[in-house]
Amino acid sequence: GQQLNQSPQSMFIQEGEDVSMNCTSSSIFNTWLWYKQDPGEGPVLLIALYKAGELTSNGRLTAQFGITRKDSFLNISASIPSDVGIYFCAGQDTDKLIFGTGTRLQVFP
Amino acid sequence: GAGVSQSPSNKVTEKGKDVELRCDPISGHTALYWYRQSLGQGLEFLIYFQGNSAPDKSGLPSDRFSAERTGGSVSTLTIQRTQQEDSAVYLCASSSQGAQGNTIYFGEGSWLTVV
Repeated sequence: GQQLNQSPQSMFIQEGEDVSMNCTSSSIFNTWLWYKQDPGEGPVLLIALYKAGELTSNGRLTAQFGITRKDSFLNISASIPSDVGIYFCAGQDTDKLIFGTGTRLQVFP
Repeated sequence: GAGVSQSPSNKVTEKGKDVELRCDPISGHTALYWYRQSLGQGLEFLIYFQGNSAPDKSGLPSDRFSAERTGGSVSTLTIQRTQQEDSAVYLCASSSQGAQGNTIYFGEGSWLTVV
C-alpha cells in the first residue's frame, strides 16, 4: 500500500531535548496531519495543516506545511517522558489519509 | 457510542480460516475507513466508505479481503483463507465529513494473529 517517507525511523533522546522529524511525498497534498500513537491504541491527531507554508503550534509541538505541498515537518521542544510513542505524518488524498512510515520516539530521563 | 468501537480486540486464527472484524463508527459519522498496521510499520490504507457512494477499495491487498457497511453504520472487514502475512492490527476510523482530517477518529484496533 501507499505510504509516505518519514524520517528518522527512530530517535532516542534525553528529557529536555528538542526533536525534529519530517515527511516527504512524491505527490502533492492539500492537507498534512501529524498523529501520535501510544501502545495498544489508535492514532490521535496532534496538528492539522491546511495551507502551503503554514506554520502551526500546539503547545510544545510545531509543524509546517511545505511550500511545495510535498513535505511537512514536526518539532517537539523540551521533550518529556510522556512524549514517548510513534509519530505519524499523513497527507490527505481526496477523502482518504495516506500515512507515513512512522517515527518511534524514546525519551530517557 | 462515545468513540469508534472495534471487535474483537484480539483474534488468533489458524492459517486458512476466514475471519471477520467489526467496526462500530461514531454515531452520525458518514465516512468509515479501514487501515492495516503491521508490527512496527505505518498505517496502510485498505478501504473507505462514504455515505451511499461506492466504496474506494483501492487499498485492498488481494481478493481475499472484502468489506461491507450495512445501513451506513457498522462495517465488517472479512479476510478469507488467512495467511501468516495477514497478521497485523486492523484499525477502523470514522469521520463526520470524510474530507477533513481533523474529524477522523480511530478505534483501538483489532489485533489479528494467524498461526
